[in-house]
Amino acid sequence: AQSVTQLGSHVSVSEGALVLLRCNYSSSVPPYLFWYVQYPNQGLQLLLKYTSAATLVKGINGFEAEFKKSETSFHLTKPSAHMSDAAEYFCAVAGTGRRALTFGSGTRLQVQP
Amino acid sequence: GAVVSQHPSWVICKSGTSVKIECRSLDFQATTMFWYRQFPKQSLMLMATSNEGSKATYEQGVEKDKFLINHASLTLSTLTVTSAHPEDSSFYICSARVGFEETQYFGPGTRLLVL
Repeated sequence: AQSVTQLGSHVSVSEGALVLLRCNYSSSVPPYLFWYVQYPNQGLQLLLKYTSAATLVKGINGFEAEFKKSETSFHLTKPSAHMSDAAEYFCAVAGTGRRALTFGSGTRLQVQP
Repeated sequence: GAVVSQHPSWVICKSGTSVKIECRSLDFQATTMFWYRQFPKQSLMLMATSNEGSKATYEQGVEKDKFLINHASLTLSTLTVTSAHPEDSSFYICSARVGFEETQYFGPGTRLLVL
């Protein structure tokens, strides 16, 4: 069984500030972890993924995430927020052998000018 | 690469009618496609997993006779909502997996409104 917890349903930052979106997972097998972004009325776009290679994963649009096994975390960060980053962000986990993804509840990121 | 399309992007129908939603992988062959449902301001909930040429595997609580899934080819899966009711109104999103990779690529979603 696997699950994902995203702490904070809403995060608000100022433009240019650090973005930190938290994700903790639970998995009975070594996990594959993903961050997706969803803009209003659109599908999901893959930001980055961890598949047991490097623990620090770099994605698109300047985002990165670090896999920390000891903390069962996969937090998403971006050094400097841009207005266009405002969206809903989902963390997801896929255990090996189970092809479907389990999603967290999502975090809505607001970027203030 | 790895583009997934959905059609239609939105549909309004009367209660009791059936609605078919198509999910296509445009530039790759998808051995597995997934169908999700998303209610407003909520996360995605997996409805079913669809493998080409075989019956879909439905998640617990999802009525297979109401949500008919067909995966006739490696690039097309369809979801038919039969005898739709207002409570079926939702955002339906499909995704496709490339080969044995764990990454899923998502379609743009279909918004269904049942009157």
